[in-house]
Amino acid sequence: AQSVTQLGSHVSVSEGALVLLRCNYSSSVPPYLFWYVQYPNQGLQLLLKYTSAATLVKGINGFEAEFKKSETSFHLTKPSAHMSDAAEYFCAVSEGNTGFQKLVFGTGTRLLVSP
Amino acid sequence: GAGVSQSPSNKVTEKGKDVELRCDPISGHTALYWYRQSLGQGLEFLIYFQGNSAPDKSGLPSDRFSAERTGGSVSTLTIQRTQQEDSAVYLCASSLAPKETQYFGPGTRLLVL
Repeated sequence: AQSVTQLGSHVSVSEGALVLLRCNYSSSVPPYLFWYVQYPNQGLQLLLKYTSAATLVKGINGFEAEFKKSETSFHLTKPSAHMSDAAEYFCAVSEGNTGFQKLVFGTGTRLLVSP
Repeated sequence: GAGVSQSPSNKVTEKGKDVELRCDPISGHTALYWYRQSLGQGLEFLIYFQGNSAPDKSGLPSDRFSAERTGGSVSTLTIQRTQQEDSAVYLCASSLAPKETQYFGPGTRLLVL
């Protein structure tokens, strides 16, 4: 069975600092991997996805993530945090060989950005 | 264009009552998904529709939960005899095709007293 582990329920950074949100996955088949962001009282918005093409994936709002098979990781980074990045971030995995994307989510990491 | 919409945005009900949650997907999206977001369980998949059929309903927690989709569009998630543990945010998503990006609605926040 697939699973996702997000280390750290809360991450605090200063504005302008590097953002690093960690995600490790478990999957018996080549996975599809996703990062979603959720702003207060809103639904989830896709930041980026990995579907077995380039291992370094660039997304919206300056975020990127690198798929590392040897480490079973898909960490999310952004070089310089903005106040508007404060939100909850979810990593998700889906088996690549199923008929649809059945997303299995991590428990989420709340990013706090201080001035 | 319009995104995924859900109604009501908030619902408070008494234990034992039935509730219906509605999802309007993005026009033209053939695939529709329901998820539940709760403090204890995080984000969980409930059910997937392709057209009006539900090939995967493996995430429905009990037989009190059911869902249907009509006209390949609107979907309704029904919870019968609600329990306090059903309190959660119910999220709907749709995608153009089954393996395409899922777009999420704002959710329905359900509170069972």
